[in-house]
Formats: sequence, structure tokens, C-alpha cells
Amino acid sequence: GDSVTQMEGPVTLSEEAFLTINCTYTATGYPSLFWYVQYPGEGLQLLLKATKADDKGSNKGFEATYRKETTSFHLEKGSVQVSDSAVYFCALREGNNRLAFGKGNQVVVIP
Amino acid sequence: SAVISQKPSRDICQRGTSLTIQCQVDSQVTMMFWYRQQPGQSLTLIATANQGSEATYESGFVIDKFPISRPNLTFSTLTVSNMSPEDSSIYLCSAGLAGGQDEQFFGPGTRLTVL
Repeated sequence: GDSVTQMEGPVTLSEEAFLTINCTYTATGYPSLFWYVQYPGEGLQLLLKATKADDKGSNKGFEATYRKETTSFHLEKGSVQVSDSAVYFCALREGNNRLAFGKGNQVVVIP
Repeated sequence: SAVISQKPSRDICQRGTSLTIQCQVDSQVTMMFWYRQQPGQSLTLIATANQGSEATYESGFVIDKFPISRPNLTFSTLTVSNMSPEDSSIYLCSAGLAGGQDEQFFGPGTRLTVL
């Protein structure tokens, strides 16, 4: 079935650093792609999405581009803040409307 | 968008008992889902809650262990039956509209600890 792979391990970086979290997917069709964020003690929130190839999703300074040729949807932010500390999940939406999630990456931003 | 609430927000239960989690959406939605998020893990889909019919379960999840109801378009329940410590997890409800363009919205989750 369809699946999502995120880079291994937590990410620790300093405030104002550049953040990249890698996400690749395997799918038989053309899924919609999402990044969800889970702040400490809170539920899952949609951060951004892209529904077709070459679409760029953006929100709160985060961006991700749907790359069909590399089956990727990497998340980037140019200058992170302490408030960006959270767990980030990449996900794809399958044809039956179900979401498949990656394992998530914990991001810790140090002042 | 949709706002989703869950009750209870957390509970501590004894082995062998059952807990029913409620999920309420503030608008009518086509799709409702139940996920499990075990400590430090990603989300795993348990089942799709179908309005007016039996839920559709994913591999590894069965109705006897996780009975689900969905009596209307805005409400669903998940029961975790005959609990064991391995069921300790966060259980999340999500909802969305059918179609490829729309995202799913998630409830805040129910944090279950089984002793």
C-alpha cells in the first residue's frame, strides 16, 4: 500500500537556523500530501498541503513542494523560532480518503 | 473547517475494563476515522467509522476489541474493550469531507493509561 518515509531521529537546532525535514512517499496514484504539526500537549494540526505535482504548500513561514519526479515533499523553514518546537508528521491521502503518516520528527529549537 | 471535540481527554483504567471515547464534530462530515498513537510513535489508523453501517477495520484491528458506532454525521464512539497495558495510547478521532482536495481535521485526543 501507500506509505510515507521521514528522515530518522529528532532535529535539534538553534533559533533562526534553517530547517529541513525530509519526506518521501510511495503511492500507486497521485495522492494529496500534507504536513501536520503536533505541539507539546496539543492535538494534531494541519500545517500545509499540496494536492498535485509542483504545488507548493505554505503556512507560518513553512513551505513544501510536491515533487513527483523524486516522490518527495520536504518541509522547510528559513528561520525557526523556539515556538516551532513540535513534532512534524508528513502524510499522504490515499484514494479511499485514508491518511498514511510518516513516523514523525521531533524538532527542538534552542534559544 | 471542522472543530472536533473528544471526551474524555484522559483516563486511567484497570486491566480488563472497557472505555468508550466520544467524538463530536461541529458540522456534518462525510468521513470519520479513529487513530491510535502509541508513545513516541506515529499515528496508526484503527478504522473508518461509517454512518449507518459497520465500521471498516484496518489489518490488526477487530470489532470485538474496538467496537465503533456512528449514529449520525457528527458523532462517533470508539470503545476499547477488555483493556491491557498494551492499549495505553492516545486515541484520536478525525473527520473530513470526501474528495481528494480536503484535509482531515483531528480532535485533541484521548490519553489512555491502562494499569
